[in-house]
Amino acid sequence: DAGVIQSPRHEVTEMGQEVTLRCKPISGHNSLFWYRQTMMRGLELLIYFNNNVPIDDSGMPEDRFSAKMPNASFSTLKIQPSEPRDSAVYFCASSTRPGVGATDTQYFGPGTRLTVL
Amino acid sequence: DAKTTQPPSMDCAEGRAANLPCNHSTISGNEYVYWYRQIHSQGPQYIIHGLKNNETNEMASLIITEDRKSSTLILPHATLRDTAVYYCSTQKGGSNYKLTFGKGTLLTVNP
Repeated sequence: DAGVIQSPRHEVTEMGQEVTLRCKPISGHNSLFWYRQTMMRGLELLIYFNNNVPIDDSGMPEDRFSAKMPNASFSTLKIQPSEPRDSAVYFCASSTRPGVGATDTQYFGPGTRLTVL
Repeated sequence: DAKTTQPPSMDCAEGRAANLPCNHSTISGNEYVYWYRQIHSQGPQYIIHGLKNNETNEMASLIITEDRKSSTLILPHATLRDTAVYYCSTQKGGSNYKLTFGKGTLLTVNP
């Protein structure tokens, strides 16, 4: 299996521009997670989906951030307009939702390093 | 999910066992203990998880105390490639799938 695929791996943009990050989860996984990692705040969960439906977006910092999952094999995280404080590494992870009482193991992608100038 | 506390850094000699502690004193009965690690610039990687009993897999062993308030991840024969940040987390079974990462422990394996 190719694992979780993210693109682009690196993105440099200017403040005010729209940024779209992409994620392809592992085939057969039905949960998808977006995380952000910075030196100051560590690894933070932004949003997660089950069966393409957003379940919890309480970690999304503000309205400039939006995430979609139009189908089971693709998700996007969009920042519009971008700001320098959005500079971070963004990770996507996927998992198979287990049965009641069990838990899941998340598989992470390689991340997208975003720099907003 | 329970809050976890880990030492910020540890050193280990290559070939020796690395024992990484984690405190999760507020853990509830249906919360699992999870360990992930992150090698520089890569995405976090799952290592092992457990509920009550000790667990072992090809990567590591997990020892959970009887009161479940703390656990230890054991890398039996650390190699230089095990140098990474190790995260201990808890996750409730059932409907809650959120995984909360603390600051982790930077393990440095020295030759």
